[in-house]
Amino acid sequence: GAVVSQHPSWVICKSGTSVKIECRSLDFQATTMFWYRQFPKQSLMLMATSNEGSKATYEQGVEKDKFLINHASLTLSTLTVTSAHPEDSSFYICSARRDRGPTGEQFFGPGTRLTVL
Amino acid sequence: GQQVMQIPQYQHVQEGEDFTTYCNSSTTLSNIQWYKQRPGGHPVFLIQLVKSGEVKKQKRLTFQFGEAKKNSSLHITATQTTDVGTYFCAGRLLGNFNKFYFGSGTKLNVKP
Repeated sequence: GAVVSQHPSWVICKSGTSVKIECRSLDFQATTMFWYRQFPKQSLMLMATSNEGSKATYEQGVEKDKFLINHASLTLSTLTVTSAHPEDSSFYICSARRDRGPTGEQFFGPGTRLTVL
Repeated sequence: GQQVMQIPQYQHVQEGEDFTTYCNSSTTLSNIQWYKQRPGGHPVFLIQLVKSGEVKKQKRLTFQFGEAKKNSSLHITATQTTDVGTYFCAGRLLGNFNKFYFGSGTKLNVKP
């Protein structure tokens, strides 16, 4: 149990276009979903926290107008990279928490590799 | 910015040697989690520590949470090639409900 999927697994797009990435919890309802960005050989940088039915909370330095997050249901969150540029190329990973308490583990999706030409 | 630091960045060991990675926070943590990420994969949850001074073991892995809840360590006894990967700690700051901040990770390479 506790499987999180991401779609697409990789995407290549032209500069200036928008890309949507989906994160789904397949066999549980996620109270909270998180979006991370990971550069090659580096750690996961938390971008935003997403709660179903409410606005996402963005980390300092993350542009909310550029990285649009929609948490439409307890099993789906989407991240849209608007007007993508080459510097947005990265590995984007989502995670989901099942428990409402503060100590629940995060279940990670497989990640989406975004390459902006 | 991120407030959880981790050392070392890389560790190369001979199979059978021990390995330790350390995680430090400038502020008190509510709890800390450890994850392992294999090359090309995504992070997988290993364990969570909540109590001050807590020690937990999983076979050859020993996890510790400092008394002040500002540091943690992961120790692997007698490493095996299957231990290869990057180990991340993720700390939740006190009063910061929900969010975990990841350490920079320690990449472990085990030579057979």
